[in-house]
Amino acid sequence: GAVVSQHPSWVICKSGTSVKIECRSLDFQATTMFWYRQFPKQSLMLMATSNEGSKATYEQGVEKDKFLINHASLTLSTLTVTSAHPEDSSFYICSASSRVVNTEAFFGQGTRLTVV
Amino acid sequence: GQNIDQPTEMTATEGAIVQINCTYQTSGFNGLFWYQQHAGEAPTFLSYNVLDGLEEKGRFSSFLSRSKGYSYLLLKELQMKDSASYLCAVQGNTGKLIFGQGTTLQVKP
Repeated sequence: GAVVSQHPSWVICKSGTSVKIECRSLDFQATTMFWYRQFPKQSLMLMATSNEGSKATYEQGVEKDKFLINHASLTLSTLTVTSAHPEDSSFYICSASSRVVNTEAFFGQGTRLTVV
Repeated sequence: GQNIDQPTEMTATEGAIVQINCTYQTSGFNGLFWYQQHAGEAPTFLSYNVLDGLEEKGRFSSFLSRSKGYSYLLLKELQMKDSASYLCAVQGNTGKLIFGQGTTLQVKP
C-alpha cells in the first residue's frame, strides 16, 4: 500500500512555543490530507481537511489561528501548533489520499506531542 | 448530524469468534472503514465496504447493510495480539472519515 510518513514521531515542547509536524506522501501525490487529533482512550477527531494549493477547511471548534496548516505541494502538508499549551498535548495523526473518494485511507505514524 | 456508535469495550477468549457492531447515521456515505489501533500507534487499515454484504479477508470479515446503517467486524480464531482498539469510520461525500469512539477488545487466554 501507499506510504505516508509523519515526522516527528514524538516531541516535547515548552508552553508558549510552536511545534511543526510534517506529513509526507512518499509514493503518490496527495491532493488531500486530513489532520486528526486523538486524546487518550478516545477516538480520532478530525481537525481539518487540507487540499493542495488552497486554504484548509477546519472542523467546528478547531481554531485555525492556533493550528496552522500548509499544503504547499502534492507530497507535503504541515501542521503547526502555535503557542502550545499543556491542553494541546495529544496524538496528532495525518492521512493522505490521491482522490476524493477512497477505498483505503493511508495514515502517518502519528506524532505524540507533550507540552510542559 | 452525524453519529457513529460502537460498543466501548468487549472481552473474548483466545481462539473464539467476536463480532464488533457499528451503527451510523451520516449525511453522506461513500464507504465504511474498519481500522485496528494498538495503544500509541496509528490506525491500521482492516477493511472497506461500500456495497451491502460480507467481505472476507483471512481471519477478519466485515459486513455492511446500508439500508440499516449497520456494519460489523468479525474476528475469528482470536489471538492475544488481536487485543486492540477497533475503529469504525464512515467516509462522507468530501472524502473525510468520521470515526466512531472505538471498541477496545481484550482477548484473554
